[in-house]
Amino acid sequence: EAAVTQSPRSKVAVTGGKVTLSCHQTNNHDYMYWYRQDTGHGLRLIHYSYVADSTEKGDIPDGYKASRPSQENFSLILELASLSQTAVYFCASSAQTISNERLFFGHGTKLSVL
Amino acid sequence: GNSVTQMQGQVTLSEEEFLFINCTYSTTGYPTLFWYVQYPGEGPQLLLKVTTANNKGSSRGFEATYDKGTTSFHLQKASVQESDSAVYYCVLGDLSGGNYKPTFGKGTSLVVHP
Repeated sequence: EAAVTQSPRSKVAVTGGKVTLSCHQTNNHDYMYWYRQDTGHGLRLIHYSYVADSTEKGDIPDGYKASRPSQENFSLILELASLSQTAVYFCASSAQTISNERLFFGHGTKLSVL
Repeated sequence: GNSVTQMQGQVTLSEEEFLFINCTYSTTGYPTLFWYVQYPGEGPQLLLKVTTANNKGSSRGFEATYDKGTTSFHLQKASVQESDSAVYYCVLGDLSGGNYKPTFGKGTSLVVHP
């Protein structure tokens, strides 16, 4: 079973501070994703990557940066955290680029910005 | 771009009742449709997928099909159990634009009473 590990599991940040969420996968997957989950909005794609050292914007990239230093690791960076970024963040990976490939999710990071 | 509309925010049933959840989608490509399930405190996990219109996917008593003509797909189960209580997401997988960016619906929270 594919394994995706997120850290931290929860975090409290101050408005204007910098936050880094980390994701690690051990299954040699090409694609990695960051989604944000909010009540009433489901999961929305922030950034994704299909190869190391390259990232792509998803549907809601504003206020977020991403970094993929290796195939296994994918980070989400909030340079200036804001109250509106309080949410649960999920990292996911998938093995191939064909459209019928499943996503494997981590357990999520609950971020509270105060 | 791709979109998925999942109108039912919450569904409440009693055990052994019939479940039906519907989504509509929009894409210019050739999609694969997925249903993911999320239990409290966990990330979403794949429930089942349907790769071809009018074919049926099934898993754990759940069934799904999609209709290309009406651009709709649905999830059903003949007799729900309390353990089926969870959030269900319809997901569109498509390679439009060359990259794989799964699009999630807003989710349907299923509550099953004993």
